[in-house]
Amino acid sequence: SAVISQKPSRDICQRGTSLTIQCQVDSQVTMMFWYRQQPGQSLTLIATANQGSEATYESGFVIDKFPISRPNLTFSTLTVSNMSPEDSSIYLCSVEPLDRATSTDTQYFGPGTRLTVL
Amino acid sequence: RKEVEQDPGPFNVPEGATVAFNCTYSNSASQSFFWYRQDCRKEPKLLMSVYSSGNEDGRFTAQLNRASQYISLLIRDSKLSDSATYLCVVRGGADGLTFGKGTHLIIQP
Repeated sequence: SAVISQKPSRDICQRGTSLTIQCQVDSQVTMMFWYRQQPGQSLTLIATANQGSEATYESGFVIDKFPISRPNLTFSTLTVSNMSPEDSSIYLCSVEPLDRATSTDTQYFGPGTRLTVL
Repeated sequence: RKEVEQDPGPFNVPEGATVAFNCTYSNSASQSFFWYRQDCRKEPKLLMSVYSSGNEDGRFTAQLNRASQYISLLIRDSKLSDSATYLCVVRGGADGLTFGKGTHLIIQP
């Protein structure tokens, strides 16, 4: 499976500020996704990060709040804008390997970014 | 109606016992099914994919019933290291995954 890193691993931020989370993969991947896991909850898909075009957002998530970039096949960023305490969560990127012939159509997750908004 | 439903547990099981989890999904067009394992404060990790014919990986057996829209996971000879949250996961196509809330398993010595 791909090796995925995220930066920062954790952060504590003041309300009203923004934080950009980076996701780096050690190999080219077809699909990259961003998820959120709020305390005590399961994962919720925020958006699909599309290479070279605008991200595809799930219901309840909008680009102004969660702008996403994906400049190439190994890197993506998620920004949490104008943060409030309700944004406190773990944010995870996931990837789908490029070689679907040898991989199932599953996804592998980065270690997550633990965000606390005061 | 929740898209993927699981019994949250916790399941308290003695070491060496067999334990089974089920989950149900609402989207009949779902195409791919997985069990992920998530340890405390860690990211989810793929445990196994679930195929219509059923599949086994060591002590773990997964089964899919498309007609009834449920998925099962059986763990035999449970180990202390099996303690974790088990996430039932469904995929409808070329998009992201839909996660259940997870079943919390505690293996007791």
